[in-house]
Amino acid sequence: GQSLEQPSEVTAVEGAIVQINCTYQTSGFYGLSWYQQHDGGAPTFLSYNALDGLEETGRFSSFLSRSDSYGYLLLQELQMKDSASYFCAVPGGANNLFFGTGTRLTVIP
Amino acid sequence: NAGVTQTPKFRVLKTGQSMTLLCAQDMNHEYMYWYRQDPGMGLRLIHYSVGEGTTAKGEVPDGYNVSRLKKQNFLLGLESAAPSQTSVYFCASSRVSRADTGELFFGEGSRLTVL
Repeated sequence: GQSLEQPSEVTAVEGAIVQINCTYQTSGFYGLSWYQQHDGGAPTFLSYNALDGLEETGRFSSFLSRSDSYGYLLLQELQMKDSASYFCAVPGGANNLFFGTGTRLTVIP
Repeated sequence: NAGVTQTPKFRVLKTGQSMTLLCAQDMNHEYMYWYRQDPGMGLRLIHYSVGEGTTAKGEVPDGYNVSRLKKQNFLLGLESAAPSQTSVYFCASSRVSRADTGELFFGEGSRLTVL
C-alpha cells in the first residue's frame, strides 16, 4: 500500500518562504505530485517530480529525494492568495493517485 | 474551455434515496476518476475508467456504481444513499495514466449531504 505524511498546518508571513514536507512509503514509486486547493475549490495540479532534484515553476519549487522517500514544496515570496491546502500525491495501485491528508497553509500579514 | 464540469454542485438527499452525479470533460481525455473528499482524510478514489465503456473499482467503491457510455462523460450513482456518503465528490480526468505525469484535472466538486 501507500502512505504519505505531511504536516497538518503551517503558518507563514506574507513575503516569506515556506517549505511543506512530504514523506512517502509506496511500492513501485513513479513520482511525487503536488496539488493546491483553496477552500471550497477544486484541487489544482502544481508540479510533478519523477527524478531527484529541484523543479522550479515561478514562485513555487518542488524537490524530490528518492533515496530518502522525501519531497517538499517550496513557496517563495508568499502572497495572501497562497493560503490554501497543499496535498502531496503518489501513483498507487490500479490507476489511483494516492493523496496525503493535506497541509493547510495560512499566510498572515 | 470548460475543462471538467460536474452537476449538480449541491444536493441534499434522504437516507435510501438514489441519485446520479454527472461529470463531463471536453479535453478528449481517456482516463476519468471519481474521488470523495472528507475532512482530514484527503481524497480517496471511488471508481475510475481508462476509456469509453470501461470502469473499475478504486479504493472505496462500496455503495457506488459508475458508467462511461461516452468518452466525455462519467456518471457516479448512489443507489441507496447513506449518511456515511455525505461528502464532497470530485471528478477528474487525465490524458494519460496518472503514473506518467501525476497530473489530474479536477472539476469544482459536488457537495452531497445525506440526512
